Amino acid sequence: AQTVTQSQPEMSVQEAETVTLSCTYDTSESDYYLFWYKQPPSRQMILVIRQEAYKQQNATENRFSVNFQKAAKSFSLKISDSQLGDAAMYFCALASGSRLTFGEGTQLTVNP
Amino acid sequence: EAGVAQSPRYKIIEKRQSVAFWCNPISGHATLYWYQQILGQGPKLLIQFQNNGVVDDSQLPKDRFSAERLKGVDSTLKIQPAKLEDSAVYLCASSPWDRGSKAFFGQGTRLTVV
Repeated sequence: AQTVTQSQPEMSVQEAETVTLSCTYDTSESDYYLFWYKQPPSRQMILVIRQEAYKQQNATENRFSVNFQKAAKSFSLKISDSQLGDAAMYFCALASGSRLTFGEGTQLTVNP
Repeated sequence: EAGVAQSPRYKIIEKRQSVAFWCNPISGHATLYWYQQILGQGPKLLIQFQNNGVVDDSQLPKDRFSAERLKGVDSTLKIQPAKLEDSAVYLCASSPWDRGSKAFFGQGTRLTVV
C-alpha cells in the first residue's frame, strides 16, 4: 500500500512572500515519482513540478522548487515570490507500482 | 495537442437512477485513470486502464460502478444505481505508458445526486 499525507489543510501567504507546503509519503517501492499538482476553482489539474526518486537533486521550475528528503519520505513544495494566481488547492501525488495516489490537498490563499 | 475531453460537465440525477460519464484521452496515451473527488478531498483512484486492460480497480465499488475502455481509447464510467454519497467530481486522466510521465487531466464531471 502507498499513502500520501498533507498535514496542512490550509495555508496563507502574502503576495511576493515565500510559502512552503508539506507532504510526506510511504511506499515499499524503490523506484517511484513524486508530483505537485495545482487545482484552481476551474477543477483543472495542472502539473507544477515532478521529482524522480532516484535523483538526489531537487527539482525546480521557475518560482517553484521542492525539498526532497528520501530517507525521511518528505517532499515539500516551496513557492517563492507568491502571486495572486498561485491561489489554488495543491495536491502532492506519488506514482509507485501501478498506482498514482494523491494526498488530501492544501488550500493556498494569497493575500494582496 | 488536444487535451483530455470529458462529458458531460455537469449532471444532476435522483438517487437510484443511472448515469454514465465519457472520457476521450490524449491520442497515444496508454494509461487512463478515473478518479472520484469529493468536495474538499483529494482525488481517489477508482480504476486504472493500461490500453484496454484493467490494472487496478481495487477501490471501485463494483456493486454499482462499472467502467470500460473500448479498443484502448475512449472510456465510460457508469453508476447504477446512484446513491447520495456518489455526489462528487469525476476526473479522467491519461498518461503515456511510463508511470513517471505526467498525467493529463480533463476538467471533470460534477455529479449531484439528489
